Amino acid sequence: GAVVSQHPSRVICKSGTSVKIECRSLDFQATTMFWYRQFPKQSLMLMATSNEGSKATYEQGVEKDKFLINHASLTLSTLTVTSAHPEDSSFYICSATPRRGQSFQETQYFGPGTRLLVL
Amino acid sequence: QKEVEQNSGPLSVPEGAIASLNCTYSDRGSQSFFWYRQYSGKSPELIMFIYSNGDKEDGRFTAQLNKASQYVSLLIRDSQPSDSATYLCAFPGDYQLIWGAGTKLIIKP
Repeated sequence: GAVVSQHPSRVICKSGTSVKIECRSLDFQATTMFWYRQFPKQSLMLMATSNEGSKATYEQGVEKDKFLINHASLTLSTLTVTSAHPEDSSFYICSATPRRGQSFQETQYFGPGTRLLVL
Repeated sequence: QKEVEQNSGPLSVPEGAIASLNCTYSDRGSQSFFWYRQYSGKSPELIMFIYSNGDKEDGRFTAQLNKASQYVSLLIRDSQPSDSATYLCAFPGDYQLIWGAGTKLIIKP
């Protein structure tokens, strides 16, 4: 199966600092990676879609200057939460879609998630 | 606007019974559908996908697709307490999956 990893799995930081989260597809090339946020007992909320080599597309209401996304290669995307505040505390999950032409087409495979706590 | 509707539940089912989860979708042209399971505090994991009308079986899970009615369902036979989770259905949009809000399933021992 397709494996997606995320690092770190959990991070605690002080208000005002920046946090970088990595998302890697381990055994496939990902044309597209997605970043989600999920607050407790709520649904997944798509934050942005990133395609390798191009700028990310952000969903309405998501500040692109606060949530910086870099999709530098077909296996790595990073999300940086800049100047984090307590309200940014959440569960951040990435997912990846394989390059077309490989198997499982449009299926999204999820990373294990990163739990961010901003004090 | 492409949408998926799911009853948020919770749906409570006794252990050993059949759990039936349902989704309706708005895009008549959708060709494929996915069921994900999400345990509390964990990421979603893909459990089944279905492309054709009719049923698709995988172990205790059966996905059913009715394109004419724009309806997709997931049946879980011989429900176990470990099946307690939130089940999300989704279908491909233009560039991303369109997600339902998820149905919380509780299997009571």
